[in-house]
Amino acid sequence: GNSVTQMEGPVTLSEEAFLTINCTYTATGYPSLFWYVQYPGEGLQLLLKATKADDKGSNKGFEATYRKETTSFHLEKGSVQVSDSAVYFCARTTGTASKLTFGTGTRLQVTL
Amino acid sequence: GAVVSQHPSRVICKSGTSVKIECRSLDFQATTMFWYRQFPKKSLMLMATSNEGSKATYEQGVEKDKFLINHASLTLSTLTVTSAHPEDSSFYICSARYGTGTDTQYFGPGTRLTVL
Repeated sequence: GNSVTQMEGPVTLSEEAFLTINCTYTATGYPSLFWYVQYPGEGLQLLLKATKADDKGSNKGFEATYRKETTSFHLEKGSVQVSDSAVYFCARTTGTASKLTFGTGTRLQVTL
Repeated sequence: GAVVSQHPSRVICKSGTSVKIECRSLDFQATTMFWYRQFPKKSLMLMATSNEGSKATYEQGVEKDKFLINHASLTLSTLTVTSAHPEDSSFYICSARYGTGTDTQYFGPGTRLTVL
């Protein structure tokens, strides 16, 4: 089936540290891939997306590259800030209705 | 752009009553809207997909008679939780997609439902 697997959290980093959150997906069809971020008490915000292999999505210093050969879409940021503390969800489209299948989310906590 | 609102942001109701949650796309026309449920510290579970002017498509295991979805216009979808019970307490999130040429969904801020 269609699924998304994310690394278990929480991830705790010091400010300015390098961030990687792993995400892999099942290789069925030609999905679009997304990263969404959810701040406490809020809904999800689209962070970045990639629609085909080798595409790189980027936004606010975050990047992720669509790797078909490893079925991965890892999220990276070179220098995290306290304000980046949130839950990050990896997602893929599923089916012709472009429904989204989400990973379980990874909580990031950035400290001073 | 691409702002989605939900109302109310939180609601507390008694067991057995019905609750309506509204989802609006504020600056675009949403041909498709989605309703999700999120359990504490868990991922989002898709409940149903609704297209303007047609019946919603429910995911397996979601009771269509309990979770009534109406998508009467291109900017408004409503979710009514009928005869709510404590186990229906959850965070309900809607999303909207505009056009058929994109697969990006824009999410509302969510509604926290607590059933006493």
